[in-house]
Amino acid sequence: DAKTTQPPSMDCAEGRAANLPCNHSTISGNEYVYWYRQIHSQGPQYIIHGLKNNETNEMASLIITEDRKSSTLILPHATLRDTAVYYCIVRVADSSASKIIFGSGTRLSIRP
Amino acid sequence: DTAVSQTPKYLVTQMGNDKSIKCEQNLGHDTMYWYKQDSKKFLKIMFSYNNKELIINETVPNRFSPKSPDKAHLNLHINSLELGDSAVYFCASSHLGSYTFGSGTRLTVV
Repeated sequence: DAKTTQPPSMDCAEGRAANLPCNHSTISGNEYVYWYRQIHSQGPQYIIHGLKNNETNEMASLIITEDRKSSTLILPHATLRDTAVYYCIVRVADSSASKIIFGSGTRLSIRP
Repeated sequence: DTAVSQTPKYLVTQMGNDKSIKCEQNLGHDTMYWYKQDSKKFLKIMFSYNNKELIINETVPNRFSPKSPDKAHLNLHINSLELGDSAVYFCASSHLGSYTFGSGTRLTVV
């Protein structure tokens, strides 16, 4: 699996959009970009994933650059409950032998 | 109707003991995993099973032995526990790349 690079920490004001960047310059053509988050002491939680096109769900939006070498996770209206460590991961989607490798992630703090 | 459940949630035990952690998923997923999160908060994969077959076995001491009686269960047995085994252990299952994690088992070896 390709490696990703994320800033170690970020903060955002409550109610504003939180934009979390991720670089994955060595991503392969069949690798998807996944985002997970881990709220203190809980198991990691799936947020969103995408291959080429931008994706949106009820939690977040994922913007992937045209060259696929970087992406941004957007939490449109951050709340205090979004305080967590956010992990950007690239992997082949449909291979049972392809494991999630977690980096150190971005610790997002939401200010009241 | 918890999707991935682990028991126990907390486990405190003495060095040298043998202990097991159980994991069950009711999502119908074919693949299950064990991850370890140490005090520095890094999440590292330990094992992966697909349809009861071991497919990923990272560099883990052979005191750790996973067992999958069926595809809904993946248990982790640890022999001769050491202080360094203290961590939070997460079970997960996946389907088509989307993972669901359990809430973790905090193991403390004293």
